[in-house]
Amino acid sequence: DQQVKQNSPSLSVQEGRISILNCDYTNSMFDYFLWYKKYPAEGPTFLISISSIKDKNEDGRFTVFLNKSAKHLSLHIVPSQPGDSAVYFCAASLGTSGTYKYIFGTGTRLKVLA
Amino acid sequence: NAGVTQTPKFQVLKTGQSMTLQCAQDMNHEYMSWYRQDPGMGLRLIHYSVGAGITDQGEVPNGYNVSRSTTEDFPLRLLSAAPSQTSVYFCASRPGGGNQPQHFGDGTRLSIL
Repeated sequence: DQQVKQNSPSLSVQEGRISILNCDYTNSMFDYFLWYKKYPAEGPTFLISISSIKDKNEDGRFTVFLNKSAKHLSLHIVPSQPGDSAVYFCAASLGTSGTYKYIFGTGTRLKVLA
Repeated sequence: NAGVTQTPKFQVLKTGQSMTLQCAQDMNHEYMSWYRQDPGMGLRLIHYSVGAGITDQGEVPNGYNVSRSTTEDFPLRLLSAAPSQTSVYFCASRPGGGNQPQHFGDGTRLSIL
């Protein structure tokens, strides 16, 4: 039972355009969501997060949107740069229940074309 | 700061062998976790710890043991390696006290023949 789903295994975007990565979840009790970026042969690196009490969080070129009614979050990268080419994982946490376990999606490979 | 350090980076084992994957963090983080990454499966939680002396199972704990005798170290033991345990293993840590992002090590690539 995949509680966090990234249905697009890959995405290609032209440099300078917007990249939109999507993530769906099934458990309405998730209260904290994160995006990680992963380069080959490296560990995932934290990118941006959002609490369930918000619907948007921005950090420079990266914005995460949360739609609780649709159980959907998305990561927008504007403008996209070749260095953004990586695998992006979304993750969700049941933090307020005291469990603090993060459930990860399967990842989306983003390729930014120069 | 070194962050989260995993050793070894690569390892090849024969079926039935045992080994320990090491993980150390120097950030005084309470929470530590082990994940495995397989193609098409994302990151799956094996075991985690919320402090020294406290461990619990994640999604895929079978065939693995952990212990947490110090805040800094969280080793993962494969008791009797099986080909199904061929994977990339990541250790992560984060501060306690609520929702916080995790810091990951660079992984151990393990092949079981």
